[in-house]
Amino acid sequence: DTEVTQTPKHLVMGMTNKKSLKCEQHMGHRAMYWYKQKAKKPPELMFVYSYEKLSINESVPSRFSPECPNSSLLNLHLHALQPEDSALYLCASSQPDANYGYTFGSGTRLTVV
Amino acid sequence: KNQVEQSPQSLIILEGKNCTLQCNYTVSPFSNLRWYKQDTGRGPVSLTIMTFSENTKSNGRYTATLDADTKQSSLHITASQLSDSASYICVVRSTSGTYKYIFGTGTRLKVLA
Repeated sequence: DTEVTQTPKHLVMGMTNKKSLKCEQHMGHRAMYWYKQKAKKPPELMFVYSYEKLSINESVPSRFSPECPNSSLLNLHLHALQPEDSALYLCASSQPDANYGYTFGSGTRLTVV
Repeated sequence: KNQVEQSPQSLIILEGKNCTLQCNYTVSPFSNLRWYKQDTGRGPVSLTIMTFSENTKSNGRYTATLDADTKQSSLHITASQLSDSASYICVVRSTSGTYKYIFGTGTRLKVLA
């Protein structure tokens, strides 16, 4: 299995809702990442988990809460989002030394209304 | 400052023609450089990855080159197809011990029939 699977593919949520994005990989990668991508822009790093521990938080607002339950799963919990948080959210994984680059998921298209 | 610049920003070509995309970087120390193809609303898909000692690497109709001395890379697409229409992103990894990759802003390629 050489894929990173993200669910759901599309999500529409209100500003008072609580929702979660899920990411799963079975490649034995021990580093997992959340990226946010706006239209026509490169992905922006949000969080990095290494060996299931949060190693990088790029000053992301607390309305985004990551969780890494085990080495194969990565969640992003969403609460009280703003319309400007609407974007494509990408999950990626890699070996910790990252010498072979990332494998990205297909993304979740999030719309906040 | 670590930066990755891509040119052109956008490109329109006719089906069957060849094209070359450029990537210049100032990332140091350098570990590897990867070209990704990203269809609209989807996650990036890896095309090639190149380390310091590699000059050329091919993946079907895609050929990437790397000049580590001048810190330049190119992606050459041969006999373009309509399905090549996408954004092409150059991503550079440093050996400086973080999990961060430096993303270029991408080249949006449109192939016309």
